[in-house]
Amino acid sequence: AQKITQTQPGMFVQEKEAVTLDCTYDTSDQSYGLFWYKQPSSGEMIFLIYQGSYDEQNATEGRYSLNFQKARKSANLVISASQLGDSAMYFCAMREESLNTDKLIFGTGTRLQVFP
Amino acid sequence: KAGVTQTPRYLIKTRGQQVTLSCSPISGHRSVSWYQQTPGQGLQFLFEYFSETQRNKGNFPGRFSGRQFSNSRSEMNVSTLELGDSALYLCASSLGRGESSPLHFGNGTRLTVT
Repeated sequence: AQKITQTQPGMFVQEKEAVTLDCTYDTSDQSYGLFWYKQPSSGEMIFLIYQGSYDEQNATEGRYSLNFQKARKSANLVISASQLGDSAMYFCAMREESLNTDKLIFGTGTRLQVFP
Repeated sequence: KAGVTQTPRYLIKTRGQQVTLSCSPISGHRSVSWYQQTPGQGLQFLFEYFSETQRNKGNFPGRFSGRQFSNSRSEMNVSTLELGDSALYLCASSLGRGESSPLHFGNGTRLTVT
């Protein structure tokens, strides 16, 4: 069974600094997709970035980048130049897709707090 | 392009009642899935629909059901509500195939059972 582990319940970072949120995964599939979502206090889950298992380069989307280490089964999210609006819960997720299913397996999340 | 729309945003029900939540996916998205989020259990998959067919269901009792209409809009129903059903219910839509196609979520419906 697929599993996502996020070991950091909470993280603090000063505004304008970079921060890394950890994510490790477990799967026996050769092909898989990894996602990061942001959930502000309003509740909406906002898609941030995607990494495919066969992608040779780390994904980047603006201030977000994904440090993908396949051998270590890790997919850490790096947020550069943190902003106060980045304060939120962050979830790492893996897509489980087959003929009979299409769903995301989520980690427990990391609460990021950005301070001035 | 409009995002995923969930209604209502908030609901307060009493034990034993039933509730129906609605989700309108992004235009063109044929897959709709539902998730329950609670502080204790985190985010858990409820079920997923594609072209009006339920493809998969998570480990939830039969009180939880859903359906998808021909326009891809989806509803989920919870009957005989229990206190433990209090949660944020999130709906997500996607194109339906391809690992790189992200799931896009709505704002959620926050259900409180008293």
